[in-house]
Amino acid sequence: DVVMTQSPLSLPVTLGQPASISCRSSQSLVYSDGNTYFNWFQQRPGQSPRRLIYKVSNRESGVPDRFSGSGSGTDFTLKISRVEAEDVGVYYCMQGTQWPYSFGQGTKLEI
Amino acid sequence: EVHLVESGGGLVQPGRSLRLSCTASGFTFGDYVMSWVRQAPGKGLEWVGFIRSNTYSGTTENAASVKGRFTISRDDSKSIAYLQMNSLKTEDTAVYYCTRGFAGYWGQGTLVTVSS
Repeated sequence: DVVMTQSPLSLPVTLGQPASISCRSSQSLVYSDGNTYFNWFQQRPGQSPRRLIYKVSNRESGVPDRFSGSGSGTDFTLKISRVEAEDVGVYYCMQGTQWPYSFGQGTKLEI
Repeated sequence: EVHLVESGGGLVQPGRSLRLSCTASGFTFGDYVMSWVRQAPGKGLEWVGFIRSNTYSGTTENAASVKGRFTISRDDSKSIAYLQMNSLKTEDTAVYYCTRGFAGYWGQGTLVTVSS
């Protein structure tokens, strides 16, 4: 099974400052069709998760452009250019390349 | 607008069964994979499984932790996905989320508590 490892697990940030979360997979996430099925999710307190980024770097509709995803193979990064108060919550990476799909442990972003 | 509503959660004793439903609207249900993801209290996210569209045979995949106990099915005429949970264990206690595709859209979740 593919293991997803996030760092850091806790991320204290200052409003208006950038933030970055890393995620590493135990195996390459490049699928046989050439796509990399890697996603980022945000879960605000008391809410359901929502997908922010799919296939490494594609933002979902409605996601602010201060969020960006990058990476390849086994190493991926989520960057927030300027943190806002509404960004508080837990962020998860997830691989959808090999079943069973798997999430990282989550990174708690707090102001 | 895509809308997913889970129902059927509640308190159940170990070894008993429960069936969750996910009622969908706002899209052509039959065209999509439907998935279930769970989250134990205060913990992270865990895939339960998914069901392919009938165009792709409607077959399912389940996590090892639920294989042989949980079954995912779908009724495209009603736009509902189901999660039949048998032989429930205390460690199955979680909020269960229904998602469209592979976690593209999520419902609000339904809490299942397995306890004597």
